[in-house]
Amino acid sequence: DAKTTQPNSMESNEEEPVHLPCNHSTISGTDYIHWYRQLPSQGPEYVIHGLTSNVNNRMASLAIAEDRKSSTLILHRATLRDAAVYYCILRDHATNSGYALNFGKGTSLLVTP
Amino acid sequence: EADIYQTPRYLVIGTGKKITLECSQTMGHDKMYWYQQDPGMELHLIHYSYGVNSTEKGDLSSESTVSRIRTEHFPLTLESARPSHTSQYLCASGGLERYNEQFFGPGTRLTVL
Repeated sequence: DAKTTQPNSMESNEEEPVHLPCNHSTISGTDYIHWYRQLPSQGPEYVIHGLTSNVNNRMASLAIAEDRKSSTLILHRATLRDAAVYYCILRDHATNSGYALNFGKGTSLLVTP
Repeated sequence: EADIYQTPRYLVIGTGKKITLECSQTMGHDKMYWYQQDPGMELHLIHYSYGVNSTEKGDLSSESTVSRIRTEHFPLTLESARPSHTSQYLCASGGLERYNEQFFGPGTRLTVL
């Protein structure tokens, strides 16, 4: 799977939107963009994934650049419970391998009241 | 809500002891994984399984071993624990398709004295 680049940390005020960027300039045509987050002292949890079109679910929105070389996870109203490490992961849906997630360092999001 | 369980949540043990970390899931997933994560660091895959009687080593070398005798159960064993094994161990499971999300357990924090 291709690599991603994320800022080490970001800070947001509570109840404000948060835009978490991810660069993936070597993305291939069959790579899906997945986001997971890990709250303190917990295992990671799935947030959202997409291929080309923007995606929305109850947790967040995913905006994907037209050239697919970058994407942005959007939390519309950050709460204190959103403080976590957010991982942007590329998964090639075409290959038949172990399907394990390749976690990088992620972005540590701090939410302040 | 993810139905994947890990026990114990915390374990402090002396050097040389044999330990088994338990992981069970009730979702009927064929694929299961073990990740290792040191505090503040990335997750690394150490073992995975495609199904019953299938086990493979992951990207990070580990002295632990795993077994998969039943679909729902994927225990990890350390024959002789050492201080270098001190870490958090996270178990996950996922469906057959590569785009399926992975569900993580709460983790076992192991300390070897």
